[in-house]
Amino acid sequence: ETGVTQSPTHLIKTRGQQVTLRCSSQSGHNTVSWYQQALGQGPQFIFQYYREEENGRGNFPPRFSGLQFPNYSSELNVNALELDDSALYLCASSLGTGELFFGEGSRLTVL
Amino acid sequence: DQQVKQNSPSLSVQEGRISILNCDYTNSMFDYFLWYKKYPAEGPTFLISISSIKDKNEDGRFTVFLNKSAKHLSLHIVPSQPGDSAVYFCAARLYNFNKFYFGSGTKLNVKP
Repeated sequence: ETGVTQSPTHLIKTRGQQVTLRCSSQSGHNTVSWYQQALGQGPQFIFQYYREEENGRGNFPPRFSGLQFPNYSSELNVNALELDDSALYLCASSLGTGELFFGEGSRLTVL
Repeated sequence: DQQVKQNSPSLSVQEGRISILNCDYTNSMFDYFLWYKKYPAEGPTFLISISSIKDKNEDGRFTVFLNKSAKHLSLHIVPSQPGDSAVYFCAARLYNFNKFYFGSGTKLNVKP
């Protein structure tokens, strides 16, 4: 059974650019959630996808968008990057409303 | 608005003793609570959970206590081991959603 995998693990962008982060969910999990963890804080909910549709969204602007594919993998896209977007982005998969299983995260630095 | 709070950013405990990590929440609509452990350069790992209909759940050295009237939960680790040194996050799920609110974490250091 494969766990949650994320790519890339680290990346550096400049302000105004766009970024795409990718996530493969754990085998059999149909729900994917994305969280942002800023330095010294806990993960904050960005949004969740279930069966390829957004199924809940946190307090993030529309320039944060996502996709879920038929194989339950997912992408997080952030447009018009700002310095405050620098954070660890965590993908988590789950089966329905059960506990979340996290990947190792993608660390984004915006210069 | 921080709905889940961990007021102790760090905790240091001697090996073999008890570690007690605390968490407070404000939303009475939370129905499920979890603890996650996070090592550097890794994602959070699920540790133990408790439903809002229970007041205690035990799994080996780890016990979670829930006091709904005080809106407080705690994680007890007995006995503590150096390998338990990590950042611990408590999380709460909003009823009927799969949205989790996390505390800011407590860094536990277990000294040999």
